[in-house]
Amino acid sequence: EIVLTQSPATLSLSPGERATLSCRASQSVSIYLGWYQQRPGQAPRLLIYDASNRATGIPARFSGSGSGTDFTLTISSLEPEDFAIYYCQLRSNWPPTFGQGTRVEIK
Amino acid sequence: QGQLRESGPGLVKPSETLSLTCTVSGGSISFYSMTWIRQTPEKGLECLGNIYYDGSTKYSPSLKSRVTISADTSKTQFSLRLRSVTAADTAVYYCAREGENYPRWYFDLWGRGTLVTVSS
Repeated sequence: EIVLTQSPATLSLSPGERATLSCRASQSVSIYLGWYQQRPGQAPRLLIYDASNRATGIPARFSGSGSGTDFTLTISSLEPEDFAIYYCQLRSNWPPTFGQGTRVEIK
Repeated sequence: QGQLRESGPGLVKPSETLSLTCTVSGGSISFYSMTWIRQTPEKGLECLGNIYYDGSTKYSPSLKSRVTISADTSKTQFSLRLRSVTAADTAVYYCAREGENYPRWYFDLWGRGTLVTVSS
């Protein structure tokens, strides 16, 4: 089973700052990794698919990069609504699996 | 576009069967599959299984012996049955769409989720 490890667990930043979130896979997964945002009391929302593709309607301040085992989600300038939990998700095997999440909180 | 909404009992007794329904509202939606996903503080997000448009199903190996997913003929209601539940099955349960506009096994439309507690 491929394990996804997200870091850091919590990221404390101010609005306007840049956020860099990491997801590491225990073995190579090519580009088959996506990112979701979950705000309190809401369901996850697909942000990025296959490492670097923004989903429909996702603002350009969200970008993804990486391949193999190391992936990054970058939020170029945090807006108030971006403070949430972010999950990476692997789709290379069934069932799809998720990382444990990174919480982005207001500093 | 359509929306998804989960419904069902919020409390289930241990050893009984958890039954949930996901209803499509606000218009029809296209989909590749509908998937049931649950979330707990301990294990995070976990895919239970899905049902494809052709009616075929795929289940998580760890839950395969206890899970059944089905759909009505109109493909506007999708059901989850989880047998022999324990406290470890306490979770928020989501239905989520595997959309046709994305590669396989990404979920682009989710219901709001429903909390199911397993307790006597």
